[in-house]
Amino acid sequence: AQTVTQSQPEMSVQEAETVTLSCTYDTSENNYYLFWYKQPPSRQMILVIRQEAYKQQNATENRFSVNFQKAAKSFSLKISDSQLGDTAMYFCAFARDDKIIFGKGTRLHILP
Amino acid sequence: DAGVTQSPTHLIKTRGQQVTLRCSPKSGHDTVSWYQQALGQGPQFIFQYYEEEERQRGNFPDRFSGHQFPNYSSELNVNALLLGDSALYLCASSLRQGTYNSPLHFGNGTRLTVT
Repeated sequence: AQTVTQSQPEMSVQEAETVTLSCTYDTSENNYYLFWYKQPPSRQMILVIRQEAYKQQNATENRFSVNFQKAAKSFSLKISDSQLGDTAMYFCAFARDDKIIFGKGTRLHILP
Repeated sequence: DAGVTQSPTHLIKTRGQQVTLRCSPKSGHDTVSWYQQALGQGPQFIFQYYEEEERQRGNFPDRFSGHQFPNYSSELNVNALLLGDSALYLCASSLRQGTYNSPLHFGNGTRLTVT
């Protein structure tokens, strides 16, 4: 069975700094998708970035980028120039066959 | 363009009771998935509906059941409520052609408290 592990329950960084959130996963599959979702206090899950496993190039979305290491089954999220609005829970997720498996999340605090 | 809407926002029920949660998908979406998010945890997949049928199911007992209507809206029913059913229930919609080509759009959830 697939599992997703986020080893950092909580992190705090100063505004404008760069922060990296870690994620590892376990699967025997070769084709799958990986996501980072953000859940602010409003509770709505918002897609931050996605990565197809068959693509070697790391995905980027403005200030958000990933470091995808398929062999190591690692999928970290880097947030550059962090902003107060980035404060939220961040969930790493693995997807295959229409099922999405989420990690337990990392609570990120951006400090003014 | 309305996103995913869920009702009610909050709900308090007693052990043994039954509850129905509702979800309207984002306009144009035809697939609805339900997730349970316990406090301090990530969401866990309950099941997915497409063309009014359950297509995928996670590791949840039969007390959890659902329905999808012709207008693509969906209901989640939980019977014989247990204290452990207290959680945030999230609905997500997408296009069947590919959950990954059409990423999930989530609602704000229903907070269920079982006393």
